[in-house]
Order: sequence, then structure tokens, then C-alpha cells
Amino acid sequence: GQQLNQSPQSMFIQEGEDVSMNCTSSSIFNTWLWYKQDPGEGPVLLIALYKAGELTSNGRLTAQFGITRKDSFLNISASIPSDVGIYFCAGMNYGGSQGNLIFGKGTKLSVKP
Amino acid sequence: NAGVTQTPKFRILKIGQSMTLQCTQDMNHNYMYWYRQDPGMGLKLIYYSVGAGITDKGEVPNGYNVSRSTTEDFPLRLELAAPSQTSVYFCASSYSPGSISYGYTFGSGTRLTVV
Repeated sequence: GQQLNQSPQSMFIQEGEDVSMNCTSSSIFNTWLWYKQDPGEGPVLLIALYKAGELTSNGRLTAQFGITRKDSFLNISASIPSDVGIYFCAGMNYGGSQGNLIFGKGTKLSVKP
Repeated sequence: NAGVTQTPKFRILKIGQSMTLQCTQDMNHNYMYWYRQDPGMGLKLIYYSVGAGITDKGEVPNGYNVSRSTTEDFPLRLELAAPSQTSVYFCASSYSPGSISYGYTFGSGTRLTVV
């Protein structure tokens, strides 16, 4: 079946640093989504990408839908303590997965003040 | 709008007991999902529904059952609780794939411990 490889698994960074994480897929996706999960809460949608090559920003967050449609990355600029959490990528191929998102295993971000 | 509401937030069950995890959404989404999240393992799909009266198995359906009698509600049933079902359960909903604004909205989760 389809699989997503998300990296890195975890990151420890200094406040103010930029962060980069990515996901790669073994097959093509039509949609890439990035979620953030705070402790004790459900994932919350950060950015949605619907077209290959698309670059979308949401405040200090920027995500791109890879040209090959098999990858996506998320950048966070000038990290702050509230960026702490687990970031999940998710992708979907309408035809291959019956409309269900495939999730990566997450990147755990810790920020040192 | 409340979004996706899950109850209870926490529950401790004894082995062999049964319970129903409730999920309701007020966004008129036709798709609904149940996931479990184990530490370091990401989200695994248990069951999903593409509309009232239609349900289908996901990646890890064994030990669970669902029903979808209305658009709003998608309860998850555990019949004979086992320690392996200790996990955090998330319900989610969405518009149809390909819709503008497609993306899951998650509830805040139910933390279940089976002892």
C-alpha cells in the first residue's frame, strides 16, 4: 500500500531558528496536507496543497507540493516556543485510497528558549 | 460552530468490557473517520464512512464496529476491550475529496486505557 516517509522524526532547535521537515511518498498524491498536534489535542490543519508545484504560506509557515507529486516540505521561519508539537504530513490520491488521507508518523518539534 | 465533538475525553475499561465512543459533527461533512494514535506510530485508520448508512474498514478494524445512521454522528463501538486497544482515539470529518477546502477536521480525542 501507499506509505509516507516523514523526516526528521524529532528536532530540538533554538528559539528563532528556521525549521524544515519533509515527506516523501512511494506513489503520486493529488493532495498534500500539513497538520500540527498540540499535547492532548487533535491535529489541526495548517496548510493544504492541491496542485503540483504549489507553494503556500500561512504566517511563518510555508509548504510546497513537490513537482513529482511524491513529496512535500514544510518550513517554519523564526521559531517560537508555541511552535512546539508534532507535525504530520498527509497525502491522498483520489483514485488509490478511496478518499482517505495517508499520514506520516510525525515530526516532534521541541524549541529551546 | 462546535466542529467535531468527541465524548468521553478519558475512560478506563476493564478487559472484556464494552463501550461506545461518541463522535458528532455540525459541519454537514459527508465523510467521517475514526483513527487511533499510539505513541510514535502516527495515526491509523480504523473505520470510515462516506455518508449516512455507508461504512467501510480501514487499516486496523479488528475489535471495533461503527454505524452511521445520520450525517452528524459516527459512534465507535468496542465490544470486548483488550489491553491492545489502549490508545488515543480521534474522530475526524471532511467534505468529499476534490472539494475546495478538503481537509480533515479532528476532534480533541478520547484517551482509553484498558486494564
